[in-house]
Amino acid sequence: GENVEQHPSTLSVQEGDSAVIKCTYSDSASNYFPWYKQELGKRPQLIIDIRSNVGEKKDQRIAVTLNKTAKHFSLHITETQPEDSAVYFCAASRGANNDMRFGAGTRLTVKP
Amino acid sequence: EAEVAQSPRYKITEKSQAVAFWCDPISGHATLYWYRQILGQGPELLVQFQDESVVDDSQLPKDRFSAERLKGVDSTLKIQPAELGDSAMYLCASSAGRTSSYNEQFFGPGTRLTVL
Repeated sequence: GENVEQHPSTLSVQEGDSAVIKCTYSDSASNYFPWYKQELGKRPQLIIDIRSNVGEKKDQRIAVTLNKTAKHFSLHITETQPEDSAVYFCAASRGANNDMRFGAGTRLTVKP
Repeated sequence: EAEVAQSPRYKITEKSQAVAFWCDPISGHATLYWYRQILGQGPELLVQFQDESVVDDSQLPKDRFSAERLKGVDSTLKIQPAELGDSAMYLCASSAGRTSSYNEQFFGPGTRLTVL
């Protein structure tokens, strides 16, 4: 089955700096890679996702890149703000009706 | 905006007791998932339903856990008997499934279970 590894487990940056979180996956058939943000005590919420037919996707300060050959994908957050502080999870799945495997999470702290 | 509903939000029980969690997915979502999230870890899939049928329950501890989605809408997850190691957040999620090629999932607020 799919195995997703995520690094780093914790990340601390100064406000305004960039943050990068990296994930690798094992199943070459995986074709959908979402990123979820989970604030303390709240539900995971989708912040951005990427399909295997594109290499990069950007939404304002958030971008995700995918390298299918190397089987890794990354989340980039620019101009970080204190409200970006949360746990971020990457995940991978083989599309509809297939289960999604999550990484262990990265706790991001943005210091004002 | 439609959301996934779960109840109860918190549950405290003693070991060997039975507990049950309820989930109501977003209307029209064919696929429903139950996850367990241990503090400091990512969600781990327990069971996945497509309508009323189980698609994947390979990681469900079937000796004590059971799940059903009888009419293909809401779902119940049961643990009997509960053990200390079952303390965790139980998250329900739903996705459009059939009508979408990709698996965007929407999560409920979760049920935090504490087993004493």
